[in-house]
Amino acid sequence: QSALTQPASVSGSPGQSITISCTGTSSDVGGYNFVSWYLQRPGKTPKLMIYEVSYRPSGVSDRFSGSKSGNTASLAISGLQAEDEAHYYCSSYTSSRTLVFGGGTKLTVL
Amino acid sequence: EVHLVESGGGLIQPGGSLRLSCAASGFTVDSNYMNWVRQAPGKGLEWVSVIYSGGRTYYADSVKGRFTISRDNSKNTLYLQMNSLRVEDTAIYYCAKDLLGTGYFDYWGQGSLVTVSS
Repeated sequence: QSALTQPASVSGSPGQSITISCTGTSSDVGGYNFVSWYLQRPGKTPKLMIYEVSYRPSGVSDRFSGSKSGNTASLAISGLQAEDEAHYYCSSYTSSRTLVFGGGTKLTVL
Repeated sequence: EVHLVESGGGLIQPGGSLRLSCAASGFTVDSNYMNWVRQAPGKGLEWVSVIYSGGRTYYADSVKGRFTISRDNSKNTLYLQMNSLRVEDTAIYYCAKDLLGTGYFDYWGQGSLVTVSS
């Protein structure tokens, strides 16, 4: 149950687009379309942004999108806004019927 | 309206035991996938355990054999019994409802801080 691999940090200017990767194995990310993405601001609980690789819960901006290729999932954010600055975590269902999170990525809006 | 309220955290010595509670309202815990997720101070999220509606339970390797997840349907409350606590178990523990059982955490409690230290 090793944590999924995410870049420690990414940054972008307002209006730009960024992508955050999430790499696992064939026993988690690559084996199931059950990748989720969460946004967490300091002192707050995580907020679900993407589920089942590419679906957005009601109320989440369409500037957020998800995809997957092989053992790597990605979260893309277009039209960066200052409010997007936060930590982002991916998670995946695993072959052991457990869940695993990524180490988290800090997004800085310059 | 859905609410999850954790309690039971505190300071405990290594090797000690603690039981966390998560009181739910607005839905029934026995009809949902209920999880515990923890976050060490300044660190990332770590999934801990899940209990299915049918009662099956699963654990992260880091807590297997030491932690036990359970629920009391009459109290609509989720529990996490933590034994043989280690310094590395220090974290905020969140209970979270998973709508689909696949990592769709739609509701989270506010968290309960557990500090393991001598």
